[in-house]
Amino acid sequence: QKEVEQDPGPLSVPEGAIVSLNCTYSNSAFQYFMWYRQYSRKGPELLMYTYSSGNKEDGRFTAQVDKSSKYISLFIRDSQPSDSATYLCAMSVNAGGTSYGKLTFGQGTILTVHP
Amino acid sequence: GAGVSQSPRYKVAKRGQDVALRCDPISGHVSLFWYQQALGQGPEFLTYFQNEAQLDKSGLPSDRFFAERPEGSVSTLKIQRTQQEDSAVYLCASSGGASSYNEQFFGPGTRLTVL
Repeated sequence: QKEVEQDPGPLSVPEGAIVSLNCTYSNSAFQYFMWYRQYSRKGPELLMYTYSSGNKEDGRFTAQVDKSSKYISLFIRDSQPSDSATYLCAMSVNAGGTSYGKLTFGQGTILTVHP
Repeated sequence: GAGVSQSPRYKVAKRGQDVALRCDPISGHVSLFWYQQALGQGPEFLTYFQNEAQLDKSGLPSDRFFAERPEGSVSTLKIQRTQQEDSAVYLCASSGGASSYNEQFFGPGTRLTVL
């Protein structure tokens, strides 16, 4: 069993829908929880990160972390066709930079938002 | 440059050939990571450098894989005697600083196809 599990989808929704993406994990040492977006033939780009448990909101995106359940979520409100991409959850023990920060990724969920 | 660059973007190799993949990180970034992304999967960690020191190579799948960063900037991932199972996108990421969280910036990847 992988350390991070993510439903690969694919997920297809109409424009304006609320999208819910989630991951579960097994390593209780993870402290930093990230959501990356990856367009076709591109590298992943960071959408949001959360430290420890709690919620974080950024525009149409909300990230939630429940460390007691080892479960994280990303909600996208008022989804747009430009949100169509693969969404990857990722986790790390350390903060990165000079303190390491190796990422463990989920499988990725392919999202299509159709007009 | 403004971001992480990788070259070549695409590489086709015959089974048994050696390949070398290059990563130019963001200037001044101390940390450099290599990840392997198989088709339909999330990236998986290969190796980590802090400046020129390779501090973690636990993700390298076999002794055919070798990475270096001799001057603490540009890095090369070398794969000897390529096999079909080496076909994947190889992603490089860099991060720097000592903030509470230090984002990893990814390059566009090198897509390796082994025939």
